[in-house]
Amino acid sequence: EPEVTQTPSHQVTQMGQEVILRCVPISNHLYFYWYRQILGQKVEFLVSFYNNEISEKSEIFDDQFSVERPDGSNFTLKIRSTKLEDSAMYFCASQGVSEYEQYFGPGTRLTVT
Amino acid sequence: RKEVEQDPGPFNVPEGATVAFNCTYSNSASQSFFWYRQDCRKEPKLLMSVYSSGNEDGRFTAQLNRASQYISLLIRDSKLSDSATYLCVEVSGTYKYIFGTGTRLKVLA
Repeated sequence: EPEVTQTPSHQVTQMGQEVILRCVPISNHLYFYWYRQILGQKVEFLVSFYNNEISEKSEIFDDQFSVERPDGSNFTLKIRSTKLEDSAMYFCASQGVSEYEQYFGPGTRLTVT
Repeated sequence: RKEVEQDPGPFNVPEGATVAFNCTYSNSASQSFFWYRQDCRKEPKLLMSVYSSGNEDGRFTAQLNRASQYISLLIRDSKLSDSATYLCVEVSGTYKYIFGTGTRLKVLA
């Protein structure tokens, strides 16, 4: 069964450093998303991406964040200068055409020290 | 602000029990809803879609009540393996998911 994959599973970084989180969505899907979940809190929408551009972004997704689909298979989330409060699980999700179901990757746990 | 609200629980039930969760939403125009299951420190996994006509999948039944703006999930004959957090999802007009805080279920032997 096709699945969304994410790397790395755990990333530890120092405050102020740049991180890139990687995702490989399900191959025939066209809609891509990033969500985050701070420990003990709910899953929050960050950004949606379709047709090589951002469709929608939340208030959390400020100028420090960017997304890219560099090669037609990977979908990346970059945080330019990490802050302590960026520590969270980051989930990538993808969705096919004509359906509303989103399928989530296993997540990257980001720890900012 | 649009919110999806759930009772955080935990709901502690014995094996074999029937348990039900509700979730309320505030956007009356929303068309699609889902229940996801999340195990500790894992990703949300799709459990089932929610339709106005109701949706049943084995021991699980989901229902949408548009008049009162809530969705429900019923689990019959609870198994130990059903222990997890159940996430209610409202799909916005732009396809983004709005998650509830989740309801924790513990099924006890």
